[in-house]
Amino acid sequence: QVHWVQSGAEMKKPGSSFKVSCKTSGDSFSRHGIAWVRQAPGQGLEYMGGIVPSYDVANYAQKFQGRVTMTADKSTKTVYMDLRRVTSEDTAVYYCVRTVEDDLGAFYFDYWGQGTRVTVSS
Amino acid sequence: QSVLTQPPSASGTFGQSVTIYCSGVSSRVGSDKVNWYQQVPGTAPKLLIYSNIKRPSGVPDRFSGSKSGSSASLAISGLQSDDEADYYCAAWDDSLTGLWVFGGGTKLTV
Repeated sequence: QVHWVQSGAEMKKPGSSFKVSCKTSGDSFSRHGIAWVRQAPGQGLEYMGGIVPSYDVANYAQKFQGRVTMTADKSTKTVYMDLRRVTSEDTAVYYCVRTVEDDLGAFYFDYWGQGTRVTVSS
Repeated sequence: QSVLTQPPSASGTFGQSVTIYCSGVSSRVGSDKVNWYQQVPGTAPKLLIYSNIKRPSGVPDRFSGSKSGSSASLAISGLQSDDEADYYCAAWDDSLTGLWVFGGGTKLTV
């Protein structure tokens, strides 16, 4: 049974930074990629980037490059998403998501964390 | 701005069927596989369909996916009240630095 735990809700001021953690379980950390997807209030899903913990390689959506860093801690099987210079437009629920590949090379998100609500407001 | 386009809303009657479309799907290998997610308000999205037509274990066969040309679709038969949710299509797009792209979502009302 997959059970991931994300860090709790945060309130941040514009211009500051925040870091969301996602503690994974089982072999998710060693076998799969982990993506971050966010959802602003009343809006759709937005992909931010992802990391392959076993290789410690991260890729970011162009929109977030320079502002986001995704890291992985092998000792605790935890991934982190750090977003800097935030504005009110970064107010959203942030999800860590497991990326899997089937035997025919198709990728998909098969498990979503519970989400972390981040509110940016002065 | 999504490059995958979905209608913002859809509706159906209990027990009937409904189809949700997602246009703008690439024909390039690797970018031509569409996944569908269901999101009940207040909860995390859930995988419904992957690789255009495949259903993960645990997803009822009332849900089915298909793809034709640059359009994918999600069909739901035997509509139930629990099906009232937002539905998103998604695909990998290696032509963009955005990598994964989502449709804007379709709110289904039963």
